[in-house]
Amino acid sequence: GAGVSQSPSNKVTEKGKDVELRCDPISGHTALYWYRQSLGQGLEFLIYFQGNSAPDKSGLPSDRFSAERTGGSVSTLTIQRTQQEDSAVYLCASSLLAGDNTGELFFGEGSRLTVL
Amino acid sequence: DQQVKQNSPSLSVQEGRISILNCDYTNSMFDYFLWYKKYPAEGPTFLISISSIKDKNEDGRFTVFLNKSAKHLSLHIVPSQPGDSAVYFCAASALGSGYALNFGKGTSLLVTP
Repeated sequence: GAGVSQSPSNKVTEKGKDVELRCDPISGHTALYWYRQSLGQGLEFLIYFQGNSAPDKSGLPSDRFSAERTGGSVSTLTIQRTQQEDSAVYLCASSLLAGDNTGELFFGEGSRLTVL
Repeated sequence: DQQVKQNSPSLSVQEGRISILNCDYTNSMFDYFLWYKKYPAEGPTFLISISSIKDKNEDGRFTVFLNKSAKHLSLHIVPSQPGDSAVYFCAASALGSGYALNFGKGTSLLVTP
């Protein structure tokens, strides 16, 4: 597609439920990143994929968070047993090459998660 | 810990004047710096960047200055336009870690007519 596509754009869920957030990166981009932005905070790095593998999962806040990427394209971020502190905008970004040091990422519009 | 800091959460500037957004960082390994601009309900978009081998990079109305000794960079917008009103994020990366951009909390710029 023309840009990074994320779905759903908005998700309201009850505490304790699982949620899945989807990211469809720009075609041909090998690197894919998940960030989140909590209220009043900057963008917090969660995880990065190079192809289908995730060399860096250090930003995942807890073991309730997991992500996968298949076919070097679409990625899914899964949050199990959601908590209220998980409420945030989850942003996906992609770039043509990983570690190319230009650092230019192309972001999607984000998925706003609200945990009641 | 916050390695990239934007200490001014908001800034208001009159149209036509200069906007100066500041950013400080703590990690001396950072060697590439970027500014992203974000409108409400949209993802951040890349604005301008600078490598640590330079101290200035200019692109139209936007100029980024880097002071490595002070671990400080700034974004200048001249002249400011109402369409520049957005949240500006400073970001930094280290060689070989270009994937893990460290972002500041952002500065909300309002350009008034």
